[in-house]
This record gives sequence, structure tokens and C-alpha cells, in this order.
Amino acid sequence: DAGVIQSPRHEVTEMGQEVTLRCKPISGHDYLFWYRQTMMRGLELLIYFNNNVPIDDSGMPEDRFSAKMPNASFSTLKIQPSEPRDSAVYFCASSLSAEQSYGYTFGSGTRLTVV
Amino acid sequence: QKEVEQDPGPLSVPEGAIVSLNCTYSNSAFQYFMWYRQYSRKGPELLMYTYSSGNKEDGRFTAQVDKSSKYISLFIRDSQPSDSATYLCAMSSMDSNYQLIWGAGTKLIIKP
Repeated sequence: DAGVIQSPRHEVTEMGQEVTLRCKPISGHDYLFWYRQTMMRGLELLIYFNNNVPIDDSGMPEDRFSAKMPNASFSTLKIQPSEPRDSAVYFCASSLSAEQSYGYTFGSGTRLTVV
Repeated sequence: QKEVEQDPGPLSVPEGAIVSLNCTYSNSAFQYFMWYRQYSRKGPELLMYTYSSGNKEDGRFTAQVDKSSKYISLFIRDSQPSDSATYLCAMSSMDSNYQLIWGAGTKLIIKP
């Protein structure tokens, strides 16, 4: 298995533009998580899905952020309009179960810079 | 006060030294304790998992949980330059629907 695949690896965009981040989880994993990581705030959970259904989106910072999971093999995180404070590394992770012994498998992240 | 406290470092030690990384927490309901390792420009990867109190050993790595003190540790024996990374502790409980609460991460540098 290729692991969790995220695209793009890097994204530089201008303030006000729409940004779409993509994630392909590991096949058979029922849970998908979107995280944001910054030096100041560390890892923050934005939203997670179970069997393609959003379960908890309380970490989504504002209405500018939205996430979808149209099928078991694909998810998107969209920011519209983007702002400089959205600059961060965004990680997607998937897990076989909510049981923590399985752990989360993270992708390599998308480094977003909004100028 | 954060639920999970972790010294961000950096912690710099010579190759071969024993490394001790620690986290403290405030929520006594936490039952599941994990250590993730994150190399530069990569996502975190699960290194050690412990349920409730006690020790767990895996090769050069030992994880300890002291629930009475709300304190967890990760020990690395015979440290290698390849161990240089950021180490994040994470924990969860059934009450939190298993969602992970993360420490800030400690940056570890092993000098050859």
C-alpha cells in the first residue's frame, strides 16, 4: 500500500483565492482526519469522518473552511477565501479503527503559504 | 493550562546517550497513551502505544505511564543520529470519543 497520499505537496496562493487540498486514505481505513500544524499551535484536528460521514467538525476554524468525503478513497479540504493566517502544513490521516492501538497513518502533508 | 504539556526543546545529546522525553497531563480520564515520531517534512508516525499504566518496551524504546502522577515518558537507549526528529505525545479517553489530544512535540537532536 502506498500509504496516505496528499496533493499538492506545496501550494502558494494569493490571499482571497480558493485552495483545495486532496487526500487519498489507505484502502480499508474507515476513519479519515484532517489536521493543521503550525509552530504556534501544534497539531490541531479540523474534522474527521467515519465511513465517509463527517462526525466532528468543531475544529474547523471558520466558515471559510469546508471538507468533503464523496467516497471511501477521496477527501478534500477547501479554503475559500484563503487568508495569510491559514498558512500551515495540512495533514490528512486515516485509521482502521477508533481504537488507538491501531494508530493513525499520516500523509506527508501539504505545505500551504498564503501571501 | 493546556491539557497536555510537553517541552518543545530542542534537546541535543551525543550519540549513544540515553534520552528521556516527557509529557504531563491534567485529564485523569486519559487511558490511551501514544508517542509519535515526526521527521522533518513528513507526517507523524506511531512509535509506541500504551494502554493505562505500566511500561512497554520495543527494541531501544521504552514507554512508561504513571497515571498517579499524570506523567508519561519515552526512553531511547543507545541513541542514533537517525533518531533525530520531533517526538509528540498523544493521549485519549473513551469520553473524548477516542480523539487524540496532542503535546506540542519535543525536537530531539542526536549529535554524531
